[in-house]
Amino acid sequence: GAGVSQSPSNKVTEKGKDVELRCDPISGHTALYWYRQRLGQGLEFLIYFQGNSAPDKSGLPSDRFSAERTGESVSTLTIQRTQQEDSAVYLCASSTRGAGAGWGNTGELFFGEGSRLTVL
Amino acid sequence: GQNIDQPTEMTATEGAIVQINCTYQTSGFNGLFWYQQHAGEAPTFLSYNVLDGLEEKGRFSSFLSRSKGYSYLLLKELQMKDSASYLCAVRDLSSLGDMRFGAGTRLTVKP
Repeated sequence: GAGVSQSPSNKVTEKGKDVELRCDPISGHTALYWYRQRLGQGLEFLIYFQGNSAPDKSGLPSDRFSAERTGESVSTLTIQRTQQEDSAVYLCASSTRGAGAGWGNTGELFFGEGSRLTVL
Repeated sequence: GQNIDQPTEMTATEGAIVQINCTYQTSGFNGLFWYQQHAGEAPTFLSYNVLDGLEEKGRFSSFLSRSKGYSYLLLKELQMKDSASYLCAVRDLSSLGDMRFGAGTRLTVKP
């Protein structure tokens, strides 16, 4: 597709259940980011994938959170044993990771529409 | 780590000019970004600065001073549709997770 695609757009789950969120980045984008945004707040960094390098997981809030990425394509964010505090919009973004890649390649992030998670 | 600070809220009048400031601390600076986010929508890219100075794009301009760790976004001829959150983000090469965001400034444009 032309843009970053995320699914599901909305997910309501019961406390304690596991959820899986999917992100399909723009083709050719080597970098992929996951952020969490609680209502009325800023973007909280979760995890970053860049090509075949080891991902930066420094933003994951607990061991209930994990993410995988297959090569330079689809990524899934998994939240186990969901808690009410996990309720938020989970945003995925991809970029060409333009640092040093040439003039005019800013490497800005392209965001998906997000997955809104509600934990009851 | 990074500290990225920007005001939480601002209010301005339609047709006026508003300046949204952002200060940051980082050890591997490689660019500063501004994004716009309307309520309930995903952020969209507005501007990018990697060298000192002013970048102009229509009604929007962004300024960077690397020595001061300071940027601002200038919005001219404000329109009601400019009511949104404006997010300052910094790329830091010293960290693998290299794009971090400030908390955002919620701008309300009034008639």
